[in-house]
Amino acid sequence: NAGVTQTPKFQVLKTGQSMTLQCAQDMNHNSMYWYRQDPGMGLRLIYYSASEGTTDKGEVPNGYNVSRLNKREFSLRLESAAPSQTSVYFCASSENRGTGGSGYTFGSGTRLTVV
Amino acid sequence: RKEVEQDPGPFNVPEGATVAFNCTYSNSASQSFFWYRQDCRKEPKLLMSVYSSGNEDGRFTAQLNRASQYISLLIRDSKLSDSATYLCVVNLRESYIPTFGRGTSLIVHP
Repeated sequence: NAGVTQTPKFQVLKTGQSMTLQCAQDMNHNSMYWYRQDPGMGLRLIYYSASEGTTDKGEVPNGYNVSRLNKREFSLRLESAAPSQTSVYFCASSENRGTGGSGYTFGSGTRLTVV
Repeated sequence: RKEVEQDPGPFNVPEGATVAFNCTYSNSASQSFFWYRQDCRKEPKLLMSVYSSGNEDGRFTAQLNRASQYISLLIRDSKLSDSATYLCVVNLRESYIPTFGRGTSLIVHP
């Protein structure tokens, strides 16, 4: 099925551990995004990649790094996990800044708990 | 003032009711508008884009009011399955970053 695939779906980390969240899309979209969603906070943008080869910080980038590996893949890395990074993480992609009516397509999310 | 504001609700309505949500945005340079639906513990999914002339998809009608800077979503003949959180999304002209509202919760009861 065409769409955005995120792995893993669930993860528990100990404080200080590192991990990489993987995201891949097969819709030939140019732009990709990483969000976190916490209760009462809505979706907050961590990093985005407007096109292959570029990445930029969003609203809450501290503690995270990203890599746009190629047009399809955009990974999010937590170098030293902290309990404050416990959240649900969503990857999303869009064809052209969300214009043209196609909007943004989201992956199914990664539920991360840092203990 | 937040860039995109929504009444968090919840809107609690009986089956068959008509319900409407509004979403206000602060930047007049906003160009693209969307409504998304998010079920509990699931990812947001595109419900419909919002066009300047207004658009309808079955029981759902979306409208844009540029003068007053808001978009609306009307749901007719509500179903139990419409229970979800509805997010509005606004894109500025030439921006790669969408702005999401925090969502409006809808609960449709029998």
